[in-house]
Amino acid sequence: QVQLQESGPGLVRPSQTLALTCTVSGDSISTDGIHWSWIRQSPGKGLEWIGSIYHSGSTDYNPALKSRVTISVDTSKNQFSLKVRSVTAADTAVYYCARGGGPYSSSFDFWGQGTLVPVSS
Amino acid sequence: QSVLTQPPSASGTPGQRVIISCSGSSSNIGRNHVCWYQKLPGTAPRLLIYRSSLRPSGVPDRFSGSKSGASASLAISGLRSEDEADYYCATWDDSVSGVVFGGGAKLTVL
Repeated sequence: QVQLQESGPGLVRPSQTLALTCTVSGDSISTDGIHWSWIRQSPGKGLEWIGSIYHSGSTDYNPALKSRVTISVDTSKNQFSLKVRSVTAADTAVYYCARGGGPYSSSFDFWGQGTLVPVSS
Repeated sequence: QSVLTQPPSASGTPGQRVIISCSGSSSNIGRNHVCWYQKLPGTAPRLLIYRSSLRPSGVPDRFSGSKSGASASLAISGLRSEDEADYYCATWDDSVSGVVFGGGAKLTVL
């Protein structure tokens, strides 16, 4: 069974960088054809796609966040990571990592449990 | 404001059939497959429908999806109390080269 687990600090100060890692088990992050994604949900709001990465390092980003976001992959650790720079309170959300996404695909079949990241001073 | 438009709410009684709509445009639903997700409070979203009408293994056949032109819909038949959740549609949008979600529809089982 494929499992994903987000990890990272529980609180981020405004203007700092939010950093999360997703550890994948039960599947290889290098599996051909499979992309890996980050999605978030702010309190009381809907789902928002942040971006996706392929094991080659190729990425796709939400244009609204692209200038502040970097997604990277570490195939040796079977992990992928998210960095969001210059955060504000609007970045407070539950952040999910998921298997899937990639060009022309909105299908995310396995998800992490999600981690709440408050942005507050 | 979401690129894909869903009704904010829907409701039905146990056993009924409910349909949740998702309206987009030629750059998204009109050209690409649609997925549907069920979101319960405090849990991760669950993929219900992919490629507009296919169900992953383990999803009951009470859930079905369809697409026509730039709109899609999710039908839930034989409504059960455990179906009470938020439902999101999603697709790829060629104009932004990314995934877009609907605003979500809260389903209440009366």
